[in-house]
Amino acid sequence: AQKVTQAQTEISVVEKEDVTLDCVYETRDTTYYLFWYKQPPSGELVFLIRRNSFDEQNEISGRYSWNFQKSTSSFNFTITASQVVDSAVYFCALSPPRNAGNMLTFGGGTRLMVKP
Amino acid sequence: DAMVIQNPRYQVTQFGKPVTLSCSQTLNHNVMYWYQQKSSQAPKLLFHYYDKDFNNEADTPDNFQSRRPNTSFCFLDIRSPGLGDAAMYLCATSTPPGPLNEQFFGPGTRLTVL
Repeated sequence: AQKVTQAQTEISVVEKEDVTLDCVYETRDTTYYLFWYKQPPSGELVFLIRRNSFDEQNEISGRYSWNFQKSTSSFNFTITASQVVDSAVYFCALSPPRNAGNMLTFGGGTRLMVKP
Repeated sequence: DAMVIQNPRYQVTQFGKPVTLSCSQTLNHNVMYWYQQKSSQAPKLLFHYYDKDFNNEADTPDNFQSRRPNTSFCFLDIRSPGLGDAAMYLCATSTPPGPLNEQFFGPGTRLTVL
C-alpha cells in the first residue's frame, strides 16, 4: 500500500519569508515517481515537479527548491522569498509505474497563506 | 490555450436527479481520469480510461459511471446524487506511464446537491 503524509495542514507566513512544506511517503515499490502540485483558489491542480526514485539530486527552479531524501522517504518543498501569489494548497503525490495509467496517491495537502 | 476543459464550472442538482459532468482535452492523451475532491481533502481517484479500457477504483460507488466516446471527451455520470456527493470533480489526462509522465488537470466542476 502507498501513503503520502503532509503533516502540516496549514502554514501562514509573511511575504519574503522562506517556507518549507514537508512530505513523507511510504511505498513498497523500488521504482516510483514523486510529484508536487499547486492548487490555487481557482481550483485546477498545477504540476510543479516530478522526481524519479533513482534520482536523488535536489532541484532548484527559481524560488522553488526540492529536497529528496530516499533514506528518510521525504520529498520536501521550499519556497524562498515567498510571495502572496504563492498562497495555495500544495499537494505531494506518489505514483508507481504501472501499465494502465499513472495512479497518483495524494497527501492531504498543505494550505499555504502568504500575508503581505 | 486551454488543454483540459471542464464544463460546467459550477453545477447544481437536486437530490436523486441524474447529472452529467463533461471533460474535453486538446492534448490527445491516451489516459483520462476523474477525481472527486471534497472540501479540505486530497483528490480521490474514481476511475480512469486508458484509451477505451475502463478502470474502476475498488471503492468507487456504483452511483458513479463514466463514458468516453472518443479520445477527446470523457463524461462523469452520477445516477442518483446524494448530499455526500457534493464536491469538486477534477478531470485529468496523461500520456501512458513513463519517466516523463505527468497528469494535466482541468479547472474542475464544483457540484452542489440540494
